[in-house]
Parts: sequence; structure tokens; C-alpha cells
Amino acid sequence: SYELTQPPSVSVSPGQTASIICSGDKLDYKYASWYQQKPGQSPVLVIYEDTKRPAGIPERFSGSKSGNTATLTISGTQAMDEADYYCQAWESSTVVFGGGTKLTVL
Amino acid sequence: QVQLQESGPGLVKPSQTLSLTCTVSGDSISSGDYYWSWVRQPPGKGLEWIAYIYYSGNTYYNPSLKSRVTISVDTSKNQFSLKLSSVTAADTAVYYCARVWRSTYTIDYWGQGTLVTVSS
Repeated sequence: SYELTQPPSVSVSPGQTASIICSGDKLDYKYASWYQQKPGQSPVLVIYEDTKRPAGIPERFSGSKSGNTATLTISGTQAMDEADYYCQAWESSTVVFGGGTKLTVL
Repeated sequence: QVQLQESGPGLVKPSQTLSLTCTVSGDSISSGDYYWSWVRQPPGKGLEWIAYIYYSGNTYYNPSLKSRVTISVDTSKNQFSLKLSSVTAADTAVYYCARVWRSTYTIDYWGQGTLVTVSS
């Protein structure tokens, strides 16, 4: 089955840049989306189609992709950005999530 | 504003069937641009896609759950439903319903989620 791999955790200091990667076979041929989930809340879409930001998502969130690796970048990270982040793609008409990355803002 | 709301029992006994319904407001399930999906999250763990359905009735399932899952749609009520049979404690999770773009499989709207506990 198709897998997306994320690091379990990433730490960043307030005001610095956080990068969360997501790798998967042939990801360069698929669109990646990213979701933010805070404790006790539903996931929220923060990046879609690799690089696009939905309305209402702060500009400090950006996405990129190179080869089989998609990256979520948070510039000028704020305490409110501490959350779990999940990448997502699709394979053979099925939806696949990465295992999630816990972002800690120290 | 699109809203999705899950409903169903919060407690299910082992070996029984879990049944949930998602009521959609602010959009028509018959809109051809979307799939309607279920995703679950066991306590303290990550997201797991379960299934999605198109308004016409076409269904797609997670291969790991396919033998136990049925997803259905009722366009007259603007609802879709999930049934998961032969549940065990491993099926304890928050269950989310969600809207999925057909073009890119992006999930843009999620329900608030409902915790289903499997216990005798």
C-alpha cells in the first residue's frame, strides 16, 4: 500500500522557520495537501495542490515540492502554530495520510 | 458556509456494527464536484481514511477496512452514512465526515468529529 512518511516531531523557536517534510513514492506526480490539527479540534486545510493556501490561512504558511518530497514551511513561527501537521495525497483512487508531525514551538 | 455534522451512538459493543450518519448543510451532496468521506483517528494516533462516496453511489474503500465497511448516500436527506461491522477495541476512534474535491482529493471541510468507543 502507498505510504507517506513524515518525521514524528519538529521543534522550532518562536519567530524562526519551521519545515516539515513528507516523502512518498512518485509524489512528484501527485498533489500534496497539508492539514493542521490542534488538540481536541478537527483538522484544518492549510496547503493544497502542493503550494496553494486557502482563504484565511496566514501567509507564513507555504508549501513546496521537489521530487518525491513535499515540504510545509512556516515562516516566523508563532506559539499558536504548535499543532500536529499531516500531509495527504492519493493513490489509485484512495486517500492516504502521512503519519503526522508534532510541531513544538519552544 | 458548508457544515458537516456526525451523529450516531458513542458506545458500541465488540462484534457489533458501528453506524454513523453525516448531515451536510450549505451544499448539496448531489453537487458533482465532490466526494463525501469518512476519516477516523484513534486516541493519540494519526488520521486514517476509511471510505468515500460519490452522489451517484460509486464507492471507494481503504483496502485494509474494505471487508467490514459500507458507505451509502441519501441525496434526499443530504446525508451519507458509514457502517463498520465486527468492531473491536481497535476501532475506538474519533470519526470525522469530510468533503473531498474530486479533482485533487483535497479535503476542504471536516465535521467536528464524534468519539465512538468499542467496549462491553
